[in-house]
Amino acid sequence: AQTVTQSQPEMSVQEAETVTLSCTYDTSESDYYLFWYKQPPSRQMILVIRQEAYKQQNATENRFSVNFQKAAKSFSLKISDSQLGDAAMYFCAYRRPSGTYKYIFGTGTRLKVLA
Amino acid sequence: GAVVSQHPSWVICKSGTSVKIECRSLDFQATTMFWYRQFPKQSLMLMATSNEGSKATYEQGVEKDKFLINHASLTLSTLTVTSAHPEDSSFYICSAREIQGLETQYFGPGTRLLVL
Repeated sequence: AQTVTQSQPEMSVQEAETVTLSCTYDTSESDYYLFWYKQPPSRQMILVIRQEAYKQQNATENRFSVNFQKAAKSFSLKISDSQLGDAAMYFCAYRRPSGTYKYIFGTGTRLKVLA
Repeated sequence: GAVVSQHPSWVICKSGTSVKIECRSLDFQATTMFWYRQFPKQSLMLMATSNEGSKATYEQGVEKDKFLINHASLTLSTLTVTSAHPEDSSFYICSAREIQGLETQYFGPGTRLLVL
């Protein structure tokens, strides 16, 4: 069975600095999708970035980028030029490319941004 | 685009009553919707997968007679908590899978349920 592990329950970053959130996963499949979702205090889940496993190029979305290491089964999120609005819970998620399409979520990392 | 709404956002009910929560995809069709439960400071726990026109698939340990799910159209799924008890108090989140394009799940804003 697939599992997703986020080993950092909480992280802090100074405003305008860079922070990296880690995520590892376990799967025997070769094709899958990986996601990072942000959950601010409003609790609305917001898609930050997604990565298809068959793509070697790391996904980027403005200040957000990932370091996808398929062999190591690692999928870290880098936030550059951190802003106060980035403070939230961040969840890493895994999804198979077919079948039930359901996500497997990690336990989350709470990011604090210090002014 | 890709907006999912939930109604109500907040509900308080008495123990023993039933509560219905609606999940709508506003600008896309969703053949599959998902229902999650989230306890404070915890991750999302998948309760069930809802497919339009068919019976929902429940995760292990989730009582299907307690949490009734109906997915009657491509834009609407409902979760009914039957005979609610205080231990059912939680934050319930739905998501909808977009069937075209990136096939990402988009989440509703959640419903906070308090059973007295």
